[in-house]
Amino acid sequence: AQSVTQLDSQVPVFEEAPVELRCNYSSSVSVYLFWYVQYPNQGLQLLLKYLSGSTLVESINGFEAEFNKSQTSFHLRKPSVHISDTAEYFCAVTKGSARQLTFGSGTQLTVLP
Amino acid sequence: KAGVTQTPRYLIKTRGQQVTLSCSPISGHRSVSWYQQTPGQGLQFLFEYFSETQRNKGNFPGRFSGRQFSNSRSEMNVSTLELGDSALYLCASSLHLSDTGELFFGEGSRLTVL
Repeated sequence: AQSVTQLDSQVPVFEEAPVELRCNYSSSVSVYLFWYVQYPNQGLQLLLKYLSGSTLVESINGFEAEFNKSQTSFHLRKPSVHISDTAEYFCAVTKGSARQLTFGSGTQLTVLP
Repeated sequence: KAGVTQTPRYLIKTRGQQVTLSCSPISGHRSVSWYQQTPGQGLQFLFEYFSETQRNKGNFPGRFSGRQFSNSRSEMNVSTLELGDSALYLCASSLHLSDTGELFFGEGSRLTVL
């Protein structure tokens, strides 16, 4: 069975500061890794994904995540956050071609002015 | 193109009643999945449908059921509602069964059970 641990439930950070949201997974097989973002009263939107290849993946709005197989981690980073980045962020894994996602418990990122 | 549409967005039911939620996937998407989101349990997979067939099922009691129609639209039904069924129910669609990429989520149906 696979599981996902998001180590921080709440991360407050000042605008323009860097941020890292941590995600660790456990699985006995190769997995695909995702970060989804949920804004208030909305569904989830894919932020970025790792399927194979380069271990560093980037999103169009400045976030990046690095797949570290030895540490079974997929931490999300952004060098300078904006107020509009305030949202809940979910790390998720899926095994192979299945689309049954296993989600972490989420991290609420709050960007302060 | 239009996104995933879920109806109704909000509903209130009482214990013992049943509820049906509807999901219209993105045009051309044939796979539909359902997830339950609660503050206590987080996001949990309910089931996935492709070509009118249930392909995968999560660990939920038989009170939770679903179906998919020939136009890929999906419904989920919860019978004999319990207080603990209060949740945001999210539907997600994707292009086809072998796609390992993105799930497109709707805004959800928020169910409150009194």
